[in-house]
Amino acid sequence: GAVVSQHPSWVICKSGTSVKIECRSLDFQATTMFWYRQFPKQSLMLMATSNEGSKATYEQGVEKDKFLINHASLTLSTLTVTSAHPEDSSFYICSARDSGPATQHFGDGTRLSIL
Amino acid sequence: GESVGLHLPTLSVQEGDNSIINCAYSNSASDYFIWYKQESGKGPQFIIDIRSNMDKRQGQRVTVLLNKTVKHLSLQIAATQPGDSAVYFCAENKANRDDKIIFGKGTRLHILP
Repeated sequence: GAVVSQHPSWVICKSGTSVKIECRSLDFQATTMFWYRQFPKQSLMLMATSNEGSKATYEQGVEKDKFLINHASLTLSTLTVTSAHPEDSSFYICSARDSGPATQHFGDGTRLSIL
Repeated sequence: GESVGLHLPTLSVQEGDNSIINCAYSNSASDYFIWYKQESGKGPQFIIDIRSNMDKRQGQRVTVLLNKTVKHLSLQIAATQPGDSAVYFCAENKANRDDKIIFGKGTRLHILP
C-alpha cells in the first residue's frame, strides 16, 4: 500500500537551532501534503497545507516565518522549525493526499525535543 | 464553534467483548468522517470512513454508525483484541475545506485481560 516516510523519526537539538523534517511519499505523487503537530495526550492539530510548486497555506495561529514549508517536488515536503525553543518540542506528523480525502496517508511522525 | 469531540477520554474493555467509541460533531456541513487508530509513537492509521449520505458502514470487525440528526458518530469494534489497544480519533472533512482533515480529541482504548 501507499507509504509516507518521515525523516528523522527523532531529533534532539539545542534551543535556537533550526531543524528540518522531511516528508516523502514513496510510491505515489502528492500534490498536497499536510503538516500536523501533536502534543502529549492531545489530538493532531493541523498546522499547514503544503502545495507542490506554490506557497503553503497556514492555519490560524501558526507562524509561517517560524515553520517554513517547502514542497519542491511531487514526492517531498519539508518542514523547517526555525530558531527552535523548548515550547516547540512536539510530535510532528505529515500526511500526503493521493487522490482525495479518502486517500490521505500519514507518516509515522517526528519526535522533536528542544533542550 | 466548529468542533469534533469525543464523549469519553478513556475506555476499558474486556478482551473478547465489543468496544464502542463515540464522537460528537457540531458542524452539519461536514460530509465525510473518518476513524483513525494511533499507536504509541506512530502516525494515525486509517480504520474506516463514512460519507454523510450513509448511516452505517461495515469493515472487518469494525462498524461505523452516523446519526446526522444528533450529529453523532460511533466506532464499534467486535471481539476486541489486545492489538486494538490504541488511541482512536474521529475526524471530519468538509468539502469546502480543500481536503483538510480535522481531528477530534481522541479516546484511549484499554484492553483488559
